[in-house]
Amino acid sequence: DTGVSQDPRHKITKRGQNVTFRCDPISEHNRLYWYRQTLGQGPEFLTYFQNEAQLEKSRLLSDRFSAERPKGSFSTLEIQRTEQGDSAMYLCASSSRLYNEQFFGPGTRLTVL
Amino acid sequence: DAKTTQPNSMESNEEEPVHLPCNHSTISGTDYIHWYRQLPSQGPEYVIHGLTSNVNNRMASLAIAEDRKSSTLILHRATLRDAAVYYCILRDTHMYSGGGADGLTFGKGTHLIIQP
Repeated sequence: DTGVSQDPRHKITKRGQNVTFRCDPISEHNRLYWYRQTLGQGPEFLTYFQNEAQLEKSRLLSDRFSAERPKGSFSTLEIQRTEQGDSAMYLCASSSRLYNEQFFGPGTRLTVL
Repeated sequence: DAKTTQPNSMESNEEEPVHLPCNHSTISGTDYIHWYRQLPSQGPEYVIHGLTSNVNNRMASLAIAEDRKSSTLILHRATLRDAAVYYCILRDTHMYSGGGADGLTFGKGTHLIIQP
């Protein structure tokens, strides 16, 4: 399968712990996006990369959130000092160029206890 | 991105056509109309997009009103596998000239229920 993959698929953590998620985009795609989705809502955009450059960050991305894409391939999203409000599905998507459709991964479901 | 309005839910029967409406009365001339859908427990999936003319692909058809203030996603023969949340999204290509503003703005979408 050459689609977008995310790891882990599920993460349960205690409040105050740090968590890190990984996204592997489709190999030839240079644009990578992170979204967050809570129950009953549509996905909300967090940030995106073109190659290794982080070009846009939503105001939803608080100081506790950081994303990297060091070599322009896979990306990581880290949440420090998790809060119960961080419980959500974290989705990653990639696309080959501007305006093109985005291909989404299956998501990482985070539960903060 | 401009706002879209969709019904919260719709119900249809299997093997019948489905017309999913979307209103976007404040659409600008540079907004493309995109549709994505999200099947249960999966990430969203691209369906179709258009600017002014009606569009067809293997998944669906997109009918765009002449004034572009509304559009309709048409599934010609719904199956149980089409049960999903369908999102109508406007993408302002004018904002892309500087390389930024490429995130999709999802609303709550329409929950499509297919009855066997």
